Amino acid sequence: KNEVEQSPQNLTAQEGEFITINCSYSVGISALHWLQQHPGGGIVSLFMLSSGKKKHGRLIATINIQEKHSSLHITASHPRDSAVYICAVTKEDDKLIFGTGTRLQVFP
Amino acid sequence: NAGVTQTPKFRILKIGQSMTLQCTQDMNHNYMYWYRQDPGMGLKLIYYSVGAGITDKGEVPNGYNVSRSTTEDFPLRLELAAPSQTSVYFCASSYSRGTANYGYTFGSGTRLTVV
Repeated sequence: KNEVEQSPQNLTAQEGEFITINCSYSVGISALHWLQQHPGGGIVSLFMLSSGKKKHGRLIATINIQEKHSSLHITASHPRDSAVYICAVTKEDDKLIFGTGTRLQVFP
Repeated sequence: NAGVTQTPKFRILKIGQSMTLQCTQDMNHNYMYWYRQDPGMGLKLIYYSVGAGITDKGEVPNGYNVSRSTTEDFPLRLELAAPSQTSVYFCASSYSRGTANYGYTFGSGTRLTVV
């Protein structure tokens, strides 16, 4: 079993919909990261959090340390949000472990 | 501010050939990393470095070598390319490792095909 699990693996949405991507982990962590990867492109760090909630524009990331769960929300989704969203955790031994990603497609 | 720069973006190698993937950062980050990304899999750590002159193996180091002669540069060398090394390679850097206060900056990736 992977130490970082994401769901769903694939997600399609209509423009304007509210989107949630989930991440669960099974190890102790010092930080959780949400990353975005566009097709054929590099990886961009969206959020890094160790507790609570962070917001940037239409993106919101939350984490529940007790439940070992994080969610990434996108409000008023847009086709340009289409990308692979990757959850990663920094373990207590400082290793960075990645989930396999959620492929999001937003249609106009 | 260029961030993390990787070259080349694409490369096709024949089995047994050698090549070096270049990575340079201009943020004065101490920590640098090389990852590979295979379809349907999470990124896997190949090698990392905590500072100039110091390197260490990650999860999947076989078939690769690295060096870190300066803070800025962290090249990854493939000595005898094999089809199993067909992947997308990402270089990344961070100011420190593992804390919630410092994030990671990734390069744009190198898509390598070994035929």
